[in-house]
Order: sequence, then structure tokens, then C-alpha cells
Amino acid sequence: RKEVEQDPGPFNVPEGATVAFNCTYSNSASQSFFWYRQDCRKEPKLLMSVYSSGNEDGRFTAQLNRASQYISLLIRDSKLSDSATYLCVVNQPYAGGTSYGKLTFGQGTILTVHP
Amino acid sequence: EPEVTQTPSHQVTQMGQEVILRCVPISNHLYFYWYRQILGQKVEFLVSFYNNEISEKSEIFDDQFSVERPDGSNFTLKIRSTKLEDSAMYFCASRKVTGGSNAFFGQGTRLTVV
Repeated sequence: RKEVEQDPGPFNVPEGATVAFNCTYSNSASQSFFWYRQDCRKEPKLLMSVYSSGNEDGRFTAQLNRASQYISLLIRDSKLSDSATYLCVVNQPYAGGTSYGKLTFGQGTILTVHP
Repeated sequence: EPEVTQTPSHQVTQMGQEVILRCVPISNHLYFYWYRQILGQKVEFLVSFYNNEISEKSEIFDDQFSVERPDGSNFTLKIRSTKLEDSAMYFCASRKVTGGSNAFFGQGTRLTVV
């Protein structure tokens, strides 16, 4: 099983649509969870952290289910500017349990929002 | 807003040559990282650096790779003898603390080995 697995898409949606991305992770000791956004040939940028209670930031809602080792991202009212690759990212501890902040990335889900 | 800066933005080198990729992390950050992304593939962890030493490294980070923080501000990745498969985008990142804190990424150096 891959450490972090995402549906690669691509997702092609019209403006205004709601789209959901899913992600699973294999290491139950994973400590922190994030969604990053990556535009073509650019660096990953943090979209939002994901908390156990679920959290929302404007049109974006993230959910975490530790029991199922599952993370989701919901984008409402899609904009053209939301077109990007969305990366599910997990902070995994070192073998001895210490965390030095290593991030493990999923393959990314490509989203294209069209007029 | 403070940012991580990387130089050069693009480096072309011949196979077998040594390259040094440079990064200036955010000044009050304590944890530093190198990641790479081969074209069309996922971002992969290479190495983490804390308290002036390597804290963790991946299988990719073999003897050909080394990191240094020579002067308290720069953070460098050296590849001793480049191979064609080293061609990738290399991202430097830094964090203030670990855990839930945000990792800030530099804009990357595109390394092309010919």
C-alpha cells in the first residue's frame, strides 16, 4: 500500500461546481495532515491543515478520519483560479517516534475548472 | 511575507559533474529540508536537517548527496557526480517547529543533467 494515496484525476468541472478529493494514508502513527496546492512547475503551497474535528476556510473544507486513515478536501463554488494539482500531505514520525517534520506527499489530484 | 529563496532557478550540468543547489531558509526557522520532484511524479523527501546535522534521510539520499549549512543562513545540497536520473525540480523547505507547523517551500531549482 502506498504511504499516501490519492485519486490522480483529472477532475474537469465547470465554474461553480462542488468537487471532493479523497486521500488515504498507511502509517497510523502519522501526526499531522495537510492539503497543499501546486501550480504547474511551481512549488507546493499550503492550502490548509487538516484537524480531527474538521475545518473550513472559506470555500474549502477538510476532514480527517483517523480510524479509517482517510482525509478529504471539499471545494465549493469552484473558480477558474482553483485549477491546480491538489496534494495530500502527511507528517510522519521517524522510526523511533521522533518527528523531524518529514512530509510525505501523495501523487496529487489534478483539477481543471472550466468556464 | 518572509520566504525561502533558492538559487539558481535552473541549472544545466553534464553527467558526472558536481552541482551545488543553494537555499536561504526563513531566518527564524530551525528545521530545513530538501525535496525533489521528477517531472510528472510526486514530491519526494530527500533529507531533513536540524541543529546542524542530518536528522533523517531517505533511500534516495545516498553517498552522492550531501547537505551543509556553512554560514548560518545558507543551506546547500551538493550532488557529487550527477546522473541523468538526477534531473528533477529540487525544493528547499523550512519550518519553525515540526508537527503541525507549516513548511514553507522555495520556488525550486530545476536541475537538468545532460
